[in-house]
Amino acid sequence: QVQLQESGPGLVKPSETLSLTCTVSGSSISNYYWSWIRQPPGKGLEWIGYVYSGSTNYNPSLRSRVTISIDTSKNQFSLKLSSVTAADTAVYYCARHYHLDPFDYWGQGTLVTVSS
Amino acid sequence: DIQMTQSPATLSASVGDRATITCRASQSISTWLAWYQQKPGKAPKLLIYKASSLESGVPSRFSGSGSGTEFTLTISSLQPDDFATYYCLQYSSYPCTFGQGTKLEIE
Repeated sequence: QVQLQESGPGLVKPSETLSLTCTVSGSSISNYYWSWIRQPPGKGLEWIGYVYSGSTNYNPSLRSRVTISIDTSKNQFSLKLSSVTAADTAVYYCARHYHLDPFDYWGQGTLVTVSS
Repeated sequence: DIQMTQSPATLSASVGDRATITCRASQSISTWLAWYQQKPGKAPKLLIYKASSLESGVPSRFSGSGSGTEFTLTISSLQPDDFATYYCLQYSSYPCTFGQGTKLEIE
């Protein structure tokens, strides 16, 4: 079965770069779109961006700070969010989808707290 | 960006009740709408896609309807497991956007 697992530091200092990796099993990473979505504590969901076979698309609200990349050899994709502030504190999810399709498989989510 | 407005924010209901949640889009999205269920500490779970198609394995008491800018999620007879938060998602264009959520709580 398809499984996604986020990994990375749970605590990041303000102004630094948040880095997360999503490891995919049970699905070829080459055939799908892979997104990052976040959810601040007690709040709603925000799509961050996707990567597909090397091409990317980012939410304009975060575009200047976001980089999403893919490593097909490891079946992983990654998120980097620069210049973080407390407003970036959230549970970060990775998810699978097709182009302009809903997210069908999600990781369990990882809480990242921005604090000094 | 397309804005998604869900109502109500909170819905109190009892087991066996019929529950209806509405999502409105700021512009037409045809039927490119999905519904998700989220429980505390868990990732969202896909229930409905393309406005009215039931995801595999989802109970038939869940149904979706609508097109254009108005959409509805209906749970025909609430079960204890259904009390959760529900989100709509438009995927007509990027950035895809979610509604703000509806918390379905036990009355």
